[in-house]
Amino acid sequence: GQSLEQPSEVTAVEGAIVQINCTYQTSGFYGLSWYQQHDGGAPTFLSYNALDGLEETGRFSSFLSRSDSYGYLLLQELQMKDSASYFCAVNTGFQKLVFGTGTRLLVSP
Amino acid sequence: EADIYQTPRYLVIGTGKKITLECSQTMGHDKMYWYQQDPGMELHLIHYSYGVNSTEKGDLSSESTVSRIRTEHFPLTLESARPSHTSQYLCASSEGQGAGANVLTFGAGSRLTVL
Repeated sequence: GQSLEQPSEVTAVEGAIVQINCTYQTSGFYGLSWYQQHDGGAPTFLSYNALDGLEETGRFSSFLSRSDSYGYLLLQELQMKDSASYFCAVNTGFQKLVFGTGTRLLVSP
Repeated sequence: EADIYQTPRYLVIGTGKKITLECSQTMGHDKMYWYQQDPGMELHLIHYSYGVNSTEKGDLSSESTVSRIRTEHFPLTLESARPSHTSQYLCASSEGQGAGANVLTFGAGSRLTVL
């Protein structure tokens, strides 16, 4: 089977740093992506890692370790608008994505 | 701004009705996908297409069918809706190759309720 595990919920305060972990077990691996989804909204792309290491895009960074089947999304300088669900997703081949269970991030003042 | 459009956004229908969820994109993307998502849950791939006249079933079994007669259009049809089909259906697209192939653009979704 295929599984991507994430914490169900993370809470933090404005200005803080938070890390959302993702461990995966899939039949194929061609990269790890992260998507943000606000309540009632569509998922939007945040980042993509095909190779090991850290990718930085503004306040968001994403890390991948293929040998550990593990990645994380790092959110810095948290803002209230960052409150949303965050999904990791593995490309199992030909851009077929298997999504993780999702992490609900609650940012408080 | 999203360039992928889904209609209807909300639909409430009775059991046994035939429905079609529309999805159109203006980005010229080769690849298109349908995902099913229950509230607060992960997304499950139910159908995908790599181009015109190409359709494949995804990892989650679905009683729905799809067609891809034009690049920009990827409708999903349920011949006879049942309460178990109640869910949100998300359409997405991506470029055929290159770095953009790994970036999915999602539509706003169609929330279906079958009574």
